[in-house]
Amino acid sequence: NAGVTQTPKFQVLKTGQSMTLQCAQDMNHEYMSWYRQDPGMGLRLIHYSVGAGITDQGEVPNGYNVSRSTTEDFPLRLLSAAPSQTSVYFCASRPTGSNQPQHFGDGTRLSIL
Amino acid sequence: GESVGLHLPTLSVQEGDNSIINCAYSNSASDYFIWYKQESGKGPQFIIDIRSNMDKRQGQRVTVLLNKTVKHLSLQIAATQPGDSAVYFCAENRKSGGSNYKLTFGKGTLLTVNP
Repeated sequence: NAGVTQTPKFQVLKTGQSMTLQCAQDMNHEYMSWYRQDPGMGLRLIHYSVGAGITDQGEVPNGYNVSRSTTEDFPLRLLSAAPSQTSVYFCASRPTGSNQPQHFGDGTRLSIL
Repeated sequence: GESVGLHLPTLSVQEGDNSIINCAYSNSASDYFIWYKQESGKGPQFIIDIRSNMDKRQGQRVTVLLNKTVKHLSLQIAATQPGDSAVYFCAENRKSGGSNYKLTFGKGTLLTVNP
């Protein structure tokens, strides 16, 4: 049981490049989410999904797209990377039901030059 | 203590002492609270949770206290060990419309355990 798996672990991009951060979970969780973590800012919600085919915006969605074609996968796309998107990105999942803890991956450390 | 809007507070304790990490939450409608531990280079790890119909919950070496009157949450770690050194986050679960809930995190407290 791998839990939440994020790839890649590290990535350096040039401004304007695009890329996809991958997230997969093997716990059959309906709810998945993406956060970014910046120094002194805590974790901020980017996008989330309550099930396959359903996504919604979080607190800081601009510059990011998501899709949820399967229960297991929830990729995050940066369409045109900007230095302000330099951050550590975490994917999380939890079972259906509001009062359940989210389980996090180990993050992708992204630098935009 | 920790609260959204403050710089990352720090707590330094001696090995074997008890640690208390505090958190002020903002929304009286929040009904579920979680404490996470984050070690360097890793994702947040679930420690313990508590629902709003409770005021205390105990786990292994950890206790969470909830005071809804003053919107305050605390995490107590008994007999703190060097392996407890990490950043600790509280998170509140609040309704964001319809049946959706969103988890909002505080900025964290850095706990350092001195041997």
